[in-house]
Amino acid sequence: QLQLQESGPGLVKPSETLSLTCSVSGDSISQSDFFWSWIRQPPGKGLEWIGSIHYTGDTYYNPSLKSRVTMSVDTSKNQFSLKVNSVTAADTALFYCARIDRRLFDPFDVWGQGTLVTVSP
Amino acid sequence: EFVLTQSPATLSLSPGERATLSCRAGQTVSRQYLAWYQQKPGQTPRLLIHSVSSRAAGIPDRFSGGGSGTDFTLTISRLEPEDSAIYYCQQFENFQWTFGQGTKVEI
Repeated sequence: QLQLQESGPGLVKPSETLSLTCSVSGDSISQSDFFWSWIRQPPGKGLEWIGSIHYTGDTYYNPSLKSRVTMSVDTSKNQFSLKVNSVTAADTALFYCARIDRRLFDPFDVWGQGTLVTVSP
Repeated sequence: EFVLTQSPATLSLSPGERATLSCRAGQTVSRQYLAWYQQKPGQTPRLLIHSVSSRAAGIPDRFSGGGSGTDFTLTISRLEPEDSAIYYCQQFENFQWTFGQGTKVEI
C-alpha cells in the first residue's frame, strides 16, 4: 500500500528557507503515470497547491509562489523535496505531500498525513 | 489564473437529507479534469470523486459528481452524521492545479 510521509523542521525563522522531504513507500516514485506534489493549508483555511514534480525532474509551480519555491526528486531514495525561501508568517501552514494520478485526470489520490510548519522568530 | 468558486459556503442539513454542492469555474474545465475531496476536522483530505463523476476506491455510492463546462456539482444523496466535513473541488489546466475555497457541510 502506497504511503507518503512528510518530514522536516516544524519551526522556521522569518526570512529563512523552509525545507521539507516526502518519503514514498510501497511503490516506486519512478513511474510515468504520476506527479508528486506539495499542498499547504494555513490554519483554519483552505487548500493551496504549491507545486508538482515528475520523476524525470519536470517541475510545475503555482505562479503565486514560483519565485520562492524549488522542488527536487531523488529516485534513489524514493523521495521528493520542497524548499521555500524568504519565508514570512504567512507561510505558516500544514504542508501535505500527495500523489497525482494522471490516469484519473490528475486528482491528488494519495496524501501524506501532513506536517505543521510555523514561521516565527 | 483559473478560479473555482464553491457555494454555498456552509450547508446545514439533517441526516437522511440530500446535499447539493456547487463548484463554478471561471473558464471551461478541460475534458474531465475535475475532482472533489472531503476533509473532516483534524484529518487529511480524501479523494471522493475524480474525472467529474467517478467515485474513488471505497467511496460510498451516496456520493455522486456531475456537470460539465463551468458548472459542477457534488451530491450526497442521503446524509449521514459522518458526512460532516469541508468539501473542496479541484481542477487541472495546463499543468496548474487549483482548489475551490470549500463548502462546509454541517449535519
